[in-house]
Amino acid sequence: GAVVSQHPSWVICKSGTSVKIECRSLDFQATTMFWYRQFPKQSLMLMATSNEGSKATYEQGVEKDKFLINHASLTLSTLTVTSAHPEDSSFYICSATPGTGLIDTQYFGPGTRLTVL
Amino acid sequence: QQPVQSPQAVILREGEDAVINCSSSKALYSVHWYRQKHGEAPVFLMILLKGGEQKGHDKISASFNEKKQQSSLYLTASQLSYSGTYFCGTGDYGGSQGNLIFGKGTKLSVKP
Repeated sequence: GAVVSQHPSWVICKSGTSVKIECRSLDFQATTMFWYRQFPKQSLMLMATSNEGSKATYEQGVEKDKFLINHASLTLSTLTVTSAHPEDSSFYICSATPGTGLIDTQYFGPGTRLTVL
Repeated sequence: QQPVQSPQAVILREGEDAVINCSSSKALYSVHWYRQKHGEAPVFLMILLKGGEQKGHDKISASFNEKKQQSSLYLTASQLSYSGTYFCGTGDYGGSQGNLIFGKGTKLSVKP
């Protein structure tokens, strides 16, 4: 089956620093990748959608300058949380799909738990 | 708009059945079902497409009523491994790039 990896699994950082999270599709080319944020016991909230080689599309209320997304290749997307603050602490999950439409399965990565002190 | 899932939580004994519902106020093109265990990423269960699909695998099946804009997930003869939070993700005609909007989830606990 399709496998998506994320790195790191968890990260603890000090307030004001930047953190980069990588999302890789290991055995398929991901036309589209999605970044989600999930607070404890809550649903997945879509942050942004990215296609290889183009700018990410951010959901309303998500700061583009704070959450930088780069979809460098068909197998790699990165999310950089710039100048992280404690309120950015959350579980960040990426997903990838080989398609572009509403009928394609999204394969989720294992998630990255970010804790900002 | 976020789909509404019901119930919010359900507790079952092993071997019992459960139904989880997902309804939307928007016309839907697809409904995706995922299960997430605590601290882990969601795992894909199935996709249902417009046209009134029904699907099943082992003892988990689902239906999609396009006209009613709702989907139901059926868990038959539940096993301990079924425990987790079930999310439906909906794709509507207004969405782009395959965006899914996820419901708040239904927490299923299966007891021995």
